[in-house]
Amino acid sequence: DAGVTQSPTHLIKTRGQQVTLRCSPKSGHDTVSWYQQALGQGPQFIFQYYEEEERQRGNFPDRFSGHQFPNYSSELNVNALLLGDSALYLCASSLGVAGLDTQYFGPGTRLTVL
Amino acid sequence: AQRVTQPEKLLSVFKGAPVELKCNYSYSGSPELFWYVQYSRQRLQLLLRHISRESIKGFTADLNKGETSFHLKKPFAQEEDSAMYYCALLYNFNKFYFGSGTKLNVKP
Repeated sequence: DAGVTQSPTHLIKTRGQQVTLRCSPKSGHDTVSWYQQALGQGPQFIFQYYEEEERQRGNFPDRFSGHQFPNYSSELNVNALLLGDSALYLCASSLGVAGLDTQYFGPGTRLTVL
Repeated sequence: AQRVTQPEKLLSVFKGAPVELKCNYSYSGSPELFWYVQYSRQRLQLLLRHISRESIKGFTADLNKGETSFHLKKPFAQEEDSAMYYCALLYNFNKFYFGSGTKLNVKP
């Protein structure tokens, strides 16, 4: 089991563009959470998907949206990119929606907005 | 509002010395706290959670509700403990608030 996988590894975009990041959860996991980690900061919770629905959301604007597919994989979409969106985007999977379930993190996608 | 503060960005200790990584939280509800660790070139991973009251790799953490703290401790640091450590608060059932992290450097 490769664990949580994310693609692409790195991405460069310009302001105003749109981006889609992808995540495949650990085998057997049904819940995916997304985090944004700016340089020198801890991960910030964006949202969580379970049963193909957004279950929780952090303090992020509507420009950030997501989707979960029947195979539990997930996408994070960011529209109208801003310079401040440059960060490492982490995906974490768990079995079950409860926060006490252990989260397993992926390696992240490094997004640079120019 | 919920908040997690890790006051030290960098903590350097010598091998064999005790280590304490500080974490303070602010939360009006009943806190569930975690420590996550990221070793060099590895993924972020769970180290321990207060609810389990476990000791992992010699590390322990006690929740002190009076001082709103969840400090991570180890009596004898090892070089392999060098890593980035994040304290995290679980709130609203399944949302996490991470601190900004402390880099632990264990010198030989």
